[in-house]
Amino acid sequence: KNQVEQSPQSLIILEGKNCTLQCNYTVSPFSNLRWYKQDTGRGPVSLTIMTFSENTKSNGRYTATLDADTKQSSLHITASQLSDSASYICVVSVGANNLFFGTGTRLTVIP
Amino acid sequence: DTEVTQTPKHLVMGMTNKKSLKCEQHMGHRAMYWYKQKAKKPPELMFVYSYEKLSINESVPSRFSPECPNSSLLNLHLHALQPEDSALYLCASSQARPGNTIYFGEGSWLTVV
Repeated sequence: KNQVEQSPQSLIILEGKNCTLQCNYTVSPFSNLRWYKQDTGRGPVSLTIMTFSENTKSNGRYTATLDADTKQSSLHITASQLSDSASYICVVSVGANNLFFGTGTRLTVIP
Repeated sequence: DTEVTQTPKHLVMGMTNKKSLKCEQHMGHRAMYWYKQKAKKPPELMFVYSYEKLSINESVPSRFSPECPNSSLLNLHLHALQPEDSALYLCASSQARPGNTIYFGEGSWLTVV
């Protein structure tokens, strides 16, 4: 069964601290893995996209890793800011249009 | 700012009303999508259009009727909705081949009363 599981479900960190979000998937055949940031009541915004052959990809303070052997991905946020408070969604795709969404991690950054 | 524009941002409609949600993109994408998202849940795929043809319909009730008039526009016609249809409706677009980023609009908040 194709599934994407994320942990933790929610996370509270102090401003300036780092954090790591986890994503485990059983989707097959794997096409690519994306991380999205979604502010409450707004559409998801793409952070990174990685294919099978990519182990790591960075976008500013966001760094995503992918281990295709263990089917795990992580999103590391460095020097968190209040504006990082959002839901972070891991999305794994099969082919062009078939996406499997994780349930997301709700991150709250407090001053 | 997203390059996928959705209107209206908020819509309140009665169960006997007919309304439409609209989506527009000018990135030359040939795949467009409708998703439904309930609070604290991930988006659920409703429809996919590829090259203006409906390619995926995830068993969505007929009270939701999609339309793709051209490569830049995607509509979702609503009729005889139920209160449980209240949700955030997200439009998205991408190149019609694997591995491309899917761009989401800001969404249309729909409340059915």
